[in-house]
Amino acid sequence: GESVGLHLPTLSVQEGDNSIINCAYSNSASDYFIWYKQESGKGPQFIIDIRSNMDKRQGQRVTVLLNKTVKHLSLQIAATQPGDSAVYFCAETLYNQGGKLIFGQGTELSVKP
Amino acid sequence: GAVVSQHPSRVICKSGTSVKIECRSLDFQATTMFWYRQFPKKSLMLMATSNEGSKATYEQGVEKDKFLINHASLTLSTLTVTSAHPEDSSFYICSAPKVAGISQETQYFGPGTRLLVL
Repeated sequence: GESVGLHLPTLSVQEGDNSIINCAYSNSASDYFIWYKQESGKGPQFIIDIRSNMDKRQGQRVTVLLNKTVKHLSLQIAATQPGDSAVYFCAETLYNQGGKLIFGQGTELSVKP
Repeated sequence: GAVVSQHPSRVICKSGTSVKIECRSLDFQATTMFWYRQFPKKSLMLMATSNEGSKATYEQGVEKDKFLINHASLTLSTLTVTSAHPEDSSFYICSAPKVAGISQETQYFGPGTRLLVL
């Protein structure tokens, strides 16, 4: 859901470890979910998406898991690298409705070399 | 991938002045664009939906007279912050959906505009 008043949670991992970033979404009707990466001072960058008819989708080094029962998303990053350091946001919307995105609160990932 | 640009990337203005931010889809047309606002260490908050050829749709709590949106063409939407005050200082980001194929649509984000009102 929306994150007014909340501060970014942080996750610190060692280079080479796997990272898991979690997100709770708010609208049961949402059927399309996207993970974005945002580096400081830049716009969000698409990472991976998933539709509600799936519960898992894999990309290069990233996996998204969707649990509709508890309205929960996770992003798994394998072999985390220093270049992965950024803020990660999940977003929910209605697929192909030209719809607006509702962003989760975000997680700041810090990767230690 | 598709490209969305914003101009300016940074702007500093005096309190009481108006500031215009442009959002352009460079290699595709967008009948709809979205404007977001982001405070430091916070998430993106949707402000409004910009509709080409018609009025923008504002989210609850966003003053339409304060944040004027004009979507004059299929590749350009502008956000004007009128009579800006220090509390309007923020990072403003636009996005535009691009349709690729019959059933796939992806949102592309601009690089953002940092507004500082003194």
